[in-house]
Amino acid sequence: EVQLVESGGGLVQPGRSLRLSCAASGFNFGDYGMHWVRQVPGKGLEWVSGITWNSGTLAYADSVKGRFTISRDNAENSLFLQMHSLRAEDTAQYFCVKGGNYVLVNWFDRWGQGTLVTVSS
Amino acid sequence: EIVLTQSPGTLSLSLGERATLSCRASQTVSNSYLAWYQQKPGQAPRLLIYGAAARATGIPDRFSGSGSGTAFTLTISRLEPEDFVVYYCQQYGSSPVTFGGGTKVEIK
Repeated sequence: EVQLVESGGGLVQPGRSLRLSCAASGFNFGDYGMHWVRQVPGKGLEWVSGITWNSGTLAYADSVKGRFTISRDNAENSLFLQMHSLRAEDTAQYFCVKGGNYVLVNWFDRWGQGTLVTVSS
Repeated sequence: EIVLTQSPGTLSLSLGERATLSCRASQTVSNSYLAWYQQKPGQAPRLLIYGAAARATGIPDRFSGSGSGTAFTLTISRLEPEDFVVYYCQQYGSSPVTFGGGTKVEIK
């Protein structure tokens, strides 16, 4: 069974940093592109960042470009999102998401339950 | 980037009725790379349809997708109690991937 378990969320002050992690199991992690998608509670979905199977291509939404960095460790079946210079508008539930195959621009066939990031003083 | 507009925002229907949800794109979605997701309260989204019409693994056949170009539709043939939730469309034909604003299906 595919499982994606996020961790690392919490309350953080504006301007500070936070690192999210996602532990994957139940599939060949190294064969798939992986992504982070966020959702403000009660609102819609926003793609944040994605990474190809071999970390060869990284992509970011304009809203986080230059502040967030996505990475992965295929040996540890893990996905990460390093977030710097956090803003109030980054407050959201962050989902770790599995792409449909190895390419970056893809449908999302498995989602974690998410980790909540709250940016507030 | 491609903007997806879902309509209606809320759809009020009865059990057993047919639901038709629309997703319109601001530009042609190449290769009909359009997906649909269902999200229940407090849960993560679940993939229903990809490639505009292909059902994901384990999805009941009362869910069907159609469309091409800029106009896509999700149809639920006979609404079951668990279907009264929120649905999102997503395009992955061009970068960045984008989502529609969602349609809530509620019990009339």
